[in-house]
Amino acid sequence: KAGVTQTPRYLIKTRGQQVTLSCSPISGHRSVSWYQQTPGQGLQFLFEYFSETQRNKGNFPGRFSGRQFSNSRSEMNVSTLELGDSALYLCASGSTGGNTEAFFGQGTRLTVV
Amino acid sequence: GESVGLHLPTLSVQEGDNSIINCAYSNSASDYFIWYKQESGKGPQFIIDIRSNMDKRQGQRVTVLLNKTVKHLSLQIAATQPGDSAVYFCAEKNTGFQKLVFGTGTRLLVSP
Repeated sequence: KAGVTQTPRYLIKTRGQQVTLSCSPISGHRSVSWYQQTPGQGLQFLFEYFSETQRNKGNFPGRFSGRQFSNSRSEMNVSTLELGDSALYLCASGSTGGNTEAFFGQGTRLTVV
Repeated sequence: GESVGLHLPTLSVQEGDNSIINCAYSNSASDYFIWYKQESGKGPQFIIDIRSNMDKRQGQRVTVLLNKTVKHLSLQIAATQPGDSAVYFCAEKNTGFQKLVFGTGTRLLVSP
């Protein structure tokens, strides 16, 4: 079956703009979580959604937001972009919260100039 | 999307050697400890996990050891192959949630 799909793969935005990233989980998976990966901070948890409800949120400013739709697809939004938001944004899906195996997409590489 | 870049500790081994990658974790209350492998241009890939009430678990060519006394986790890869070259991350997780707390990562370089 198809894996986790993230779109777009690459994105260049200007400071102050906003951006929306999309994640389609593996069919049947209801849990989606998002991570930011940078050379300096490594992999950091952003948020987790299950059945359209946010269950966990990482330590990021309010400019970072997300949502999950009834078909389990998820989006994350970053408003008022800063240079430091340049990163690889990864989405992971899982079947239930109790299963440890999260399946990651290839990520969206965001560059803020 | 390439994996984390510049400031990772690196382990260099010869093909056929056994590799040991270490991780210090922070939260004694985590239910699961997991190892992920990230190859260049890909997202992390699950390798193996261990519950907090275990101290050793074996998979195919991999073994994970958990020492809760010193909050230490290790991944042993037997007969390392060039295809094992990647960045390896440990992560912590609690039952009921997908949230993963990742460690810093170690780059493994395998020479033929």
